[in-house]
Amino acid sequence: AQKVTQAQTEISVVEKEDVTLDCVYETRDTTYYLFWYKQPPSGELVFLIRRNSFDEQNEISGRYSWNFQKSTSSFNFTITASQVVDSAVYFCALSEAGDMRFGAGTRLTVKP
Amino acid sequence: GAVVSQHPSWVICKSGTSVKIECRSLDFQATTMFWYRQFPKQSLMLMATSNEGSKATYEQGVEKDKFLINHASLTLSTLTVTSAHPEDSSFYICSARTATYEQYFGPGTRLTVT
Repeated sequence: AQKVTQAQTEISVVEKEDVTLDCVYETRDTTYYLFWYKQPPSGELVFLIRRNSFDEQNEISGRYSWNFQKSTSSFNFTITASQVVDSAVYFCALSEAGDMRFGAGTRLTVKP
Repeated sequence: GAVVSQHPSWVICKSGTSVKIECRSLDFQATTMFWYRQFPKQSLMLMATSNEGSKATYEQGVEKDKFLINHASLTLSTLTVTSAHPEDSSFYICSARTATYEQYFGPGTRLTVT
């Protein structure tokens, strides 16, 4: 069975602070995909990244960066110099070439 | 990226009535579509997996007779909430998977049962 844990329910930071959202996953498969999505108040999921299990290279996209470590089964997401527009719920998800399962989500609030 | 649409975006219905939600992949064919339900301040929970031309696979605890899923074509899946009750009020999100296993989500349908 696959499982995704986002231990941080809510995080509040002040604008320009860096913030890391944690994601730990469990799977028995060697082939799987990890995802991060952003869900603003409108509800529509915004795709941020997809990473397959064979690619442990960290990725940076603007102010966003992801740290994938198979040794600790973690796929953490860092926002550098956070902005008020980053306020949303962020979901980590796992797919084993089948359905996609989501973590509980982390609600990020960035205060001006 | 690929586009998935849902219709309607929101619906209010009376208790006991049925509501149909459509999910369409607009620019790609999706042999597999998924239906999720999200209650306020909770995560997305997978309800069922829908394969074109075959019966949907429901997750444990999801009533197949209540949530009817039809995947009649490679671009359309429908979810019908039958005999809706207030506890069925939720945000329903569909997603469609491409042949290369990329998954795209619709904008969601907010259902309110009064």
